[in-house]
Amino acid sequence: GDSVTQMEGPVTLSEEAFLTINCTYTATGYPSLFWYVQYPGEGLQLLLKATKADDKGSNKGFEATYRKETTSFHLEKGSVQVSDSAVYFCALIGRAGNMLTFGGGTRLMVKP
Amino acid sequence: DTAVSQTPKYLVTQMGNDKSIKCEQNLGHDTMYWYKQDSKKFLKIMFSYNNKELIINETVPNRFSPKSPDKAHLNLHINSLELGDSAVYFCASGAEGLKLFFGSGTQLSVL
Repeated sequence: GDSVTQMEGPVTLSEEAFLTINCTYTATGYPSLFWYVQYPGEGLQLLLKATKADDKGSNKGFEATYRKETTSFHLEKGSVQVSDSAVYFCALIGRAGNMLTFGGGTRLMVKP
Repeated sequence: DTAVSQTPKYLVTQMGNDKSIKCEQNLGHDTMYWYKQDSKKFLKIMFSYNNKELIINETVPNRFSPKSPDKAHLNLHINSLELGDSAVYFCASGAEGLKLFFGSGTQLSVL
């Protein structure tokens, strides 16, 4: 079945550091890929998405590129802020269905 | 206006009790979901309804029973609560383009 693997956390960075959170997936066909973010005490929010190979999703300074050859969708940001501290979830929806499959989440902590 | 609202936000109860969590969406979506998030932040789908019909039912104990009186509501009723049920439960609804909107979560603590 479909699965998503993302790096273990927590990831601790200083403000303005470069961020990468790795995400790889296993799915049949060509899934749609997502990054969701969960700020403390809140529900998940869609951060960005990509629906086909080589697409780049971007939002709020975050980017992720759909790499079919490496089945990856790594999340990057050039300069993180304290307000980016949250849990980030990589997810996919396989072509055969409408169910999100989530990775385990990666907690990001940004220190001033 | 809140797009997906679920109540209560916090629920503390004794083992063996029966409790319900309510969810409502005002986005006009056809599909609604319940997800369970455990203490390690791992999310797993429990149920999915489309136009009041059950379309996904993952391996969830029979003590969990979703109820969808109309397509804007998907409530979750839990019988005979157990310690292992303690988690955060998220309701979500589905939109075009595969985007999901999530509620803010219900933190259930079973004592």
